[in-house]
Amino acid sequence: DTGVSQDPRHKITKRGQNVTFRCDPISEHNRLYWYRQTLGQGPEFLTYFQNEAQLEKSRLLSDRFSAERPKGSFSTLEIQRTEQGDSAMYLCASSPYSSYNYGYTFGSGTRLTVV
Amino acid sequence: DAKTTQPPSMDCAEGRAANLPCNHSTISGNEYVYWYRQIHSQGPQYIIHGLKNNETNEMASLIITEDRKSSTLILPHATLRDTAVYYCIVRVPIKYGQNFVFGPGTRLSVLP
Repeated sequence: DTGVSQDPRHKITKRGQNVTFRCDPISEHNRLYWYRQTLGQGPEFLTYFQNEAQLEKSRLLSDRFSAERPKGSFSTLEIQRTEQGDSAMYLCASSPYSSYNYGYTFGSGTRLTVV
Repeated sequence: DAKTTQPPSMDCAEGRAANLPCNHSTISGNEYVYWYRQIHSQGPQYIIHGLKNNETNEMASLIITEDRKSSTLILPHATLRDTAVYYCIVRVPIKYGQNFVFGPGTRLSVLP
């Protein structure tokens, strides 16, 4: 296993278009997280899944955003009707089941530019 | 909000030890302190974590004070490739479990 994979690495889209990103977590990790990072800021939590269940969504996740993890493996993050303020790095991370002694493994991210 | 505070930036001479401080005064007894770093345009990379004992691995050492209210990440011989933003993280409770909340981190510049 080569870690957390995200696709695409870069995406340029016109305002108003829909975009979808994919994340493939480490195979034995049943928790998957999405973060967003804007320039000069630390990553901000968006949502997370345990297996296929979406357990929490940040208030940052407007109704234009939707995330799925249909079979508890890969996940997709879709942004509808993109706006320039959606331009950011979208990071995915995975971890094993909750305990007090685990870390997250992050992917390299998808950089979205809305023009 | 993040449960940690860090200086926004630090410089370190190449080959010298880089000591990055972090305050986490509200940490509870069973919470670990995690350190990650992020090199430009990459995802955060795990460095080390600890509970109350000092920890060392091939990347760094972590010194946690006895009262656990602060810690220091030590890169013993900093290289130019260690230039990055370093995040000290204590997980915060969410509805189901806990979550990593990132602050702005410390931007470390290793100078030749």
